[in-house]
Amino acid sequence: KNEVEQSPQNLTAQEGEFITINCSYSVGISALHWLQQHPGGGIVSLFMLSSGKKKHGRLIATINIQEKHSSLHITASHPRDSAVYICAVGNSGGGADGLTFGKGTHLIIQP
Amino acid sequence: GAVVSQHPSRVICKSGTSVKIECRSLDFQATTMFWYRQFPKQSLMLMATSNEGSKATYEQGVEKDKFLINHASLTLSTLTVTSAHPEDSSFYICSARGRSEQFFGPGTRLTVL
Repeated sequence: KNEVEQSPQNLTAQEGEFITINCSYSVGISALHWLQQHPGGGIVSLFMLSSGKKKHGRLIATINIQEKHSSLHITASHPRDSAVYICAVGNSGGGADGLTFGKGTHLIIQP
Repeated sequence: GAVVSQHPSRVICKSGTSVKIECRSLDFQATTMFWYRQFPKQSLMLMATSNEGSKATYEQGVEKDKFLINHASLTLSTLTVTSAHPEDSSFYICSARGRSEQFFGPGTRLTVL
């Protein structure tokens, strides 16, 4: 079973700062997801990637398959970015596997 | 983007009762739906994988007779928590798999008194 580690667990930053959240996993994957969970619990899928880099607005996600590592970056952070960011991986081997989740990074952006 | 809905969003019930949670894919057909559970301050954990028209596959440690899953159509899966107990209180989230991505529902918070 895949082990998914996220760092940091908690992160408090000032508005405008560049934010990086890291995710490492232990075995090969079919895809990696970055998710955003708000205090009410609802989850929004930010990115799904299996190689390279994706960008959406102020969010950038990268993945290094060889190193089994992914990063989520937030540029020009804003208080509304405050949420829990979760890394999740789908295991390789085909099939419609459910995801394995990291414990999440609790991000607070202060004005 | 694709939308997945869950109903109800919040439910409070007495111990011993059964609770049904619906998960619907609103604008796409999902041959596979997943049910996850999240206890406070813990990560999401996969409970079961539900394929349309067949029996669900449960993860180790999840009681199939307690958590009944029905996936009768390509747009609807239901999770029934039978004889719920306080330890079943949790946040239940479904996701639906489209062609290549998973889309998450907003979740259902279950509180069993």
